Amino acid sequence: IQLTQSPSSLSASVGDRVTITCRASQAISIYLAWYQQKPGKAPSLLIHGASTLQGGVPSRFSGSGSGTDFTLTISSLQPEDFATYYCQHFHSYPLTFGGGTKVEIK
Amino acid sequence: EVQLVESGGNLVQPGRALRLSCAASGFNFDDFAMHWVRQAPGKGLEWVSGISWDSVSIGYADSVKGRFTISRDNAKKSLYLQMNNLRLEDTALYYCAKDTSVAGTSPIDYWGQGTLVTVS
Repeated sequence: IQLTQSPSSLSASVGDRVTITCRASQAISIYLAWYQQKPGKAPSLLIHGASTLQGGVPSRFSGSGSGTDFTLTISSLQPEDFATYYCQHFHSYPLTFGGGTKVEIK
Repeated sequence: EVQLVESGGNLVQPGRALRLSCAASGFNFDDFAMHWVRQAPGKGLEWVSGISWDSVSIGYADSVKGRFTISRDNAKKSLYLQMNNLRLEDTALYYCAKDTSVAGTSPIDYWGQGTLVTVS
C-alpha cells in the first residue's frame, strides 16, 4: 500500500489554517496515523484511527477521512507546529509512511 | 517512563552484516509489538520491520526482505535487527519503536533516539 502526501512542503504564517492530504493506493478503512517530526528529534504520534487525537495533543490538530483519502488539519498554526508531518497506514504488513510534508514559516 | 535505547550502529562496508539492539524499559515489554523504522539522512521515514508480542507475526519492508531479520527476547526486554548483506542505501538512522497493541499493526506511540548505520 503506497501513501501519497501532498503538498511535499508548504509555507504558512502563524494563525493560518493548514491542510495536508494523504492518499492511499487502496482502501485502508481508518487504519491511518499522523506523526509530527521536528529537526533532530524522533517523530511523535498526533492522530490515530484517522481522527482520534493522541493524548496531550492540542485540539487545533484534527484528522479526517476513511478508505483512501485522509486529511490532517491544523486550525490555527502555532510557532511550535513548524515541523514535518507524516501519515502512516497500519492496515496490514508491510506498513508504510507517506513521503512527508514540511511546514515552514512564511 | 517509557525508554527505548538503541545500540549497535556503526560504519560498515557493503555486503557486511550488523546487529542492532534495543533495550526497553518503563512498560510491560511482552504486552506490545515492536518495530524498526529508519530515516536516511535528509529523507523521510521508512518502516523496516515489525514483530508481534509473541514473535508469531512478523513483517518486513520489501527493500529489506530476505536480508534483515527482526527478533525479540521478552525475558531481556530487548528487540533486535540482524542486518545482512548491507547496501549503500541502508545508510540511515534506525529507530526502535513501540506499537500501541500486541499484534504489530497499530500506531507507534514511543520511539527511541536512534542508532546510526553507515554503509560505505
